[in-house]
Amino acid sequence: QVQLQESGPGQVKPSETLSLTCSVSGASISSSNWWNWVRQPPGKGLEWIGEIYHSGSTNYNPSLKSRVTMSADKSKNQFSLKLTSVTAADTAVYYCARESEGSYDYWGQGTLVTVSS
Amino acid sequence: DVVMTQSPLSLPVTLGQPASISCRSSQSLVYNNGYTYLNWFQQRPGQSPRRLIYKVSNRDSGVPDRFSGSGSGTDFTLKISRVEAEDVGVYYCMQGTHGYTFGQGTKLEIK
Repeated sequence: QVQLQESGPGQVKPSETLSLTCSVSGASISSSNWWNWVRQPPGKGLEWIGEIYHSGSTNYNPSLKSRVTMSADKSKNQFSLKLTSVTAADTAVYYCARESEGSYDYWGQGTLVTVSS
Repeated sequence: DVVMTQSPLSLPVTLGQPASISCRSSQSLVYNNGYTYLNWFQQRPGQSPRRLIYKVSNRDSGVPDRFSGSGSGTDFTLKISRVEAEDVGVYYCMQGTHGYTFGQGTKLEIK
């Protein structure tokens, strides 16, 4: 059974960097899937942040591209998200998800990150 | 950017009655391989999204057959033949043909 688990600080100060890691079990991030981050502000809808392939190739949402960096650690079967210069608008539940054929078949449980001083 | 527009945004339904959600895209979702990457997700309160339907009409394993997806090009529909209490939540369409974009979500509640 494929499982994804997000981890990272639950609170980040404004202007600082949000860092999250997604640990994958039951599947290899070296497989032919893209590994994604999606976020959901409280009470709002879903927003795609970006994706990474095990080769290191990435695609980012244009609206966040200047602040986002994703990386993958094949030895740990993990991938990570960094979002710089955060503001209150970045407060959200952050999900990691596996892309398969233009869709997301597995999601993490999500982690709430609050931007506050 | 592809914009996904769902309607209605709120859907009160009587138990046992059918429900239908529309999703329209701002451009065709047919990929150059002929596939259409239109998906439907259910998000129950406090839970992660769960995929119900992929590539327009393919139901995921474990999804009740009262859920069905249809459509083509830019116009898609999710139907629930008989709504049950466990169907309460928010339903999102998502396109994976041109990057990834979600609809605004449709909140299904029981009347």
